[in-house]
Amino acid sequence: GAVVSQHPSRVICKSGTSVKIECRSLDFQATTMFWYRQFPKQSLMLMATSNEGSKATYEQGVEKDKFLINHASLTLSTLTVTSAHPEDSSFYICSAGDGYGYTFGSGTRLTVV
Amino acid sequence: DAKTTQPPSMDCAEGRAANLPCNHSTISGNEYVYWYRQIHSQGPQYIIHGLKNNETNEMASLIITEDRKSSTLILPHATLRDTAVYYCIVRLSPLSGNKLVFGAGTILRVKS
Repeated sequence: GAVVSQHPSRVICKSGTSVKIECRSLDFQATTMFWYRQFPKQSLMLMATSNEGSKATYEQGVEKDKFLINHASLTLSTLTVTSAHPEDSSFYICSAGDGYGYTFGSGTRLTVV
Repeated sequence: DAKTTQPPSMDCAEGRAANLPCNHSTISGNEYVYWYRQIHSQGPQYIIHGLKNNETNEMASLIITEDRKSSTLILPHATLRDTAVYYCIVRLSPLSGNKLVFGAGTILRVKS
């Protein structure tokens, strides 16, 4: 079946630095990818829709200058958390449409210290 | 906002069928119902989806009412490994970006 690879699985960074998370569709092309954030014991919250070759669409309340999304090819989308702060610590998950359903990555646990 | 409501938790005996209900009374005609599950600290796993007709695959069955206002996911023979959070999701229409907006989900505990 379709596979979405997300990297890194875990990252710890210092407050004020930036972190990039990669999301790759391994065996299919994805014109659209989605980015979610999940806090402990909560559901997934949609952050933005990443469209290949165009600007991302952000959900209400999500700061586009803080969460930079780039979808440079049909198999790669990246999320950069800029000037990270401890409150940005969360589980970030991407997903991609494979023409049948939506496949999710395994997630990235970000801890900002 | 999510268009689905689910019970917060359910228990099921190992080997028995698990029936997980979902209400989606505001679903539109071209919006699909998707089911995913999530085991702690992993990405959601696709289970099944449908539009109007009942669907079955190797994992589960999806029963959608005729008026499409509710559905039930059936795991025919639950095992301990089926313990997870189950999300019923209405995929928004193409005009709304085909997004999957998650609700709170149901915590299913399968007990031996």
